[in-house]
Amino acid sequence: SQKIEQNSEALNIQEGKTATLTCNYTNYSPAYLQWYRQDPGRGPVFLLLIRENEKEKRKERLKVTFDTTLKQSLFHITASQPADSATYLCALVTGGFKTIFGAGTRLFVKA
Amino acid sequence: EAGVTQFPSHSVIEKGQTVTLRCDPISGHDNLYWYRRVMGKEIKFLLHFVKESKQDESGMPNNRFLAERTGGTYSTLKVQPAELEDSGVYFCASSLENPGQGIGYTFGSGTRLTVV
Repeated sequence: SQKIEQNSEALNIQEGKTATLTCNYTNYSPAYLQWYRQDPGRGPVFLLLIRENEKEKRKERLKVTFDTTLKQSLFHITASQPADSATYLCALVTGGFKTIFGAGTRLFVKA
Repeated sequence: EAGVTQFPSHSVIEKGQTVTLRCDPISGHDNLYWYRRVMGKEIKFLLHFVKESKQDESGMPNNRFLAERTGGTYSTLKVQPAELEDSGVYFCASSLENPGQGIGYTFGSGTRLTVV
């Protein structure tokens, strides 16, 4: 069956460290993969997109990698801050416009 | 520019009643999407409009759900009659182009629907 797996356990890290979140998928061939941030009571906010032919994408303190052989994406936040605390969602687009979301991983950054 | 606006933010209704959710996309965004998050589960696709036409409604759970986008501007999602399992957060999103162009979706804050 098709699945997107994100670590359901919350990730707790110290301010200033690098947070690394994992997204694994099975039985999909995504054209591209997106990462969103979601805060309580709000809708997801788009962060980054990486295409199937790209290995890595960066935006300020964010970095995303995409390994289509391992069927995995890693999302890194460097020099993390308490304001980075949120739920981060991985999302795949296999074709067209429909996006398939993972359940998300909660990140807590302690000061 | 104004973001995606959803109304109401919360709705509590009794089983068997009707509820209508509204979404105002970003002006000029032809693509409008409805998604739903049931408690503890991931956000799931319901349907996609291009202007006033339903492009993909493969995620609509059953015929108790009716989505419309008359005139290609705002959209409504009606649930009639509501069942307990319809409880969740309903998100609307819009995009100017295919999200693969690099800008993803812009989501509203959602409508939290509770059916009791």
